[in-house]
Amino acid sequence: GESVGLHLPTLSVQEGDNSIINCAYSNSASDYFIWYKQESGKGPQFIIDIRSNMDKRQGQRVTVLLNKTVKHLSLQIAATQPGDSAVYFCAENKGSGGYQKVTFGTGTKLQVIP
Amino acid sequence: EAGVTQSPTHLIKTRGQQATLRCSPISGHTSVYWYQQALGLGLQFLLWYDEGEERNRGNFPPRFSGRQFPNYSSELNVNALELEDSALYLCASSLTVYSNQPQHFGDGTRLSIL
Repeated sequence: GESVGLHLPTLSVQEGDNSIINCAYSNSASDYFIWYKQESGKGPQFIIDIRSNMDKRQGQRVTVLLNKTVKHLSLQIAATQPGDSAVYFCAENKGSGGYQKVTFGTGTKLQVIP
Repeated sequence: EAGVTQSPTHLIKTRGQQATLRCSPISGHTSVYWYQQALGLGLQFLLWYDEGEERNRGNFPPRFSGRQFPNYSSELNVNALELEDSALYLCASSLTVYSNQPQHFGDGTRLSIL
């Protein structure tokens, strides 16, 4: 069936280093991908999105890479800060006949070591 | 611009009771989504409303129901509460169902069943 998964459940990085969070998806028909950040006690916060006609998109300190050949998505965070500590979810979206189906990954916990 | 707001923040009920959770979407958003996030688990899709209609439903029993009002706010009702219903219930809204748009989340209602 359709699934969105993450390679690593927990990622620890030193403050100031770059972080890379990976995500694999199985539905080749998915055409829209989103990364969310969820801090403790809060709802998921939209970080960045990318459509399937792109392979890279940059935001403020974040970059999302999409490799449709191997169905892989990654989130790169530059100069990781303590405030980046959170759980990060990827999500894939498949639109069909006006209906969207969004599938969320289980999440990767990012721990920033001061 | 106000984000997605949910009420109450916390709700404590006993087994067999009924719970009502409320959500106000971002102004201009017509789609509202409900998710269940049990402790340590990912987001499980519950319900999706758009323009007052139920568009899709996740794999949950019929005692989970909801509705969307003319002002696009929504409520989730859970009847005959069971212990395993204890979770964070998240509401999200998006701009339109017909094009890829990110869902924006509220901070959730923490439902505890005693």
